[in-house]
Amino acid sequence: GENVEQHPSTLSVQEGDSAVIKCTYSDSASNYFPWYKQELGKGPQLIIDIRSNVGEKKDQRIAVTLNKTAKHFSLHITETQPEDSAVYFCAASRGGYQKVTFGTGTKLQVIP
Amino acid sequence: DAGVIQSPRHEVTEMGQEVTLRCKPISGHDYLFWYRQTMMRGLELLIYFNNNVPIDDSGMPEDRFSAKMPNASFSTLKIQPSEPRDSAVYFCASSPRTGSNEKLFFGSGTQLSVL
Repeated sequence: GENVEQHPSTLSVQEGDSAVIKCTYSDSASNYFPWYKQELGKGPQLIIDIRSNVGEKKDQRIAVTLNKTAKHFSLHITETQPEDSAVYFCAASRGGYQKVTFGTGTKLQVIP
Repeated sequence: DAGVIQSPRHEVTEMGQEVTLRCKPISGHDYLFWYRQTMMRGLELLIYFNNNVPIDDSGMPEDRFSAKMPNASFSTLKIQPSEPRDSAVYFCASSPRTGSNEKLFFGSGTQLSVL
């Protein structure tokens, strides 16, 4: 089955700096890569996703890059703000409502 | 829409007792998922339904776990008998039919503590 590894497990940045979270996956058939943000006491919320036919996708301060050859993808948050503090999960699936495998999560702390 | 609604938010029970977790998906969503979150194992898919029919229950850990979806607006996850190692946060999520992308909408979860 799919195995998704995520690094780092914790990340502290100063407000205004950038944050990068990296994930690798094992299943070459995976073609859908979502990122979820989980705030304390809440369920994960989808913030951005990318499909395998796209190398990069941006949404305001958030961007995701995908390298299918190397089987890794990354989340980039620019101009970080205190409200970005949360746990971020990467995930991978073969799409079509097949099983989504989550990474172990990165706890991001943005220091004001 | 109120989003995915789970109840109770917190459940404390003693080992051996039956536990029932409840979920109301977003109206119109065809898929419903039950996940378990622990520090050791992260987010694990337990089971998912399509149009009220269980599709994949390979993640259900043991026969002590069972899930039902009697109609499009309600699902339950039952643990009988419960054990301390079942302590975790249980999430329900639903998903609309949006092509081949699996966009999950999670509830706020049920924090289960089995003493």
